[in-house]
Amino acid sequence: DAMVIQNPRYQVTQFGKPVTLSCSQTLNHNVMYWYQQKSSQAPKLLFHYYDKDFNNEADTPDNFQSRRPNTSFCFLDIRSPGLGDAAMYLCATSGSSTDTQYFGPGTRLTVL
Amino acid sequence: AQTVTQSQPEMSVQEAETVTLSCTYDTSESDYYLFWYKQPPSRQMILVIRQEAYKQQNATENRFSVNFQKAAKSFSLKISDSQLGDAAMYFCALQGAQKLVFGQGTRLTINP
Repeated sequence: DAMVIQNPRYQVTQFGKPVTLSCSQTLNHNVMYWYQQKSSQAPKLLFHYYDKDFNNEADTPDNFQSRRPNTSFCFLDIRSPGLGDAAMYLCATSGSSTDTQYFGPGTRLTVL
Repeated sequence: AQTVTQSQPEMSVQEAETVTLSCTYDTSESDYYLFWYKQPPSRQMILVIRQEAYKQQNATENRFSVNFQKAAKSFSLKISDSQLGDAAMYFCALQGAQKLVFGQGTRLTINP
């Protein structure tokens, strides 16, 4: 089945230790998104790629970076995680910027 | 700016009964899409239903239907014959030209 896959599902890192979260998709969608979701809150868009074009939200901290080496994969890099970065990170994809977004299962990040 | 408001932080319903979740929104765009997403405790965001703003007919997916009132900017979700598996956080969302904007969510509890 076509889907959005996120690895790992659970990630534990230490304060200040860089961490990378990964997302892959078999939907062949042009657009890939990264959201941060804290407990009992709505997802917050961090950035998205339309094909190779990177679009950063204005309030996304510089600590967060992303890479999209090809259509199928997108990575979220957190350069120096702080305690406030502990959250669920959701990846989503869509065919175009106005199409339905399909979400992966998320990666829960814990920062010690 | 686009906004989505869900005024019911929590709702509960008896199994097999019907429940309606409310959502209002604001946008200056003429073309947009509205969604209801479900996020169960497993945390994967699952699409429940989608409505194109240019369509007057209310979308329906099995036990899920919407009441889309464009002039009032209202988009409520009705769940008929509620099942235990419907227990989740429900997010109303608006997709404009670029961004998917979420409401704050309604936590739905199903009482057996």
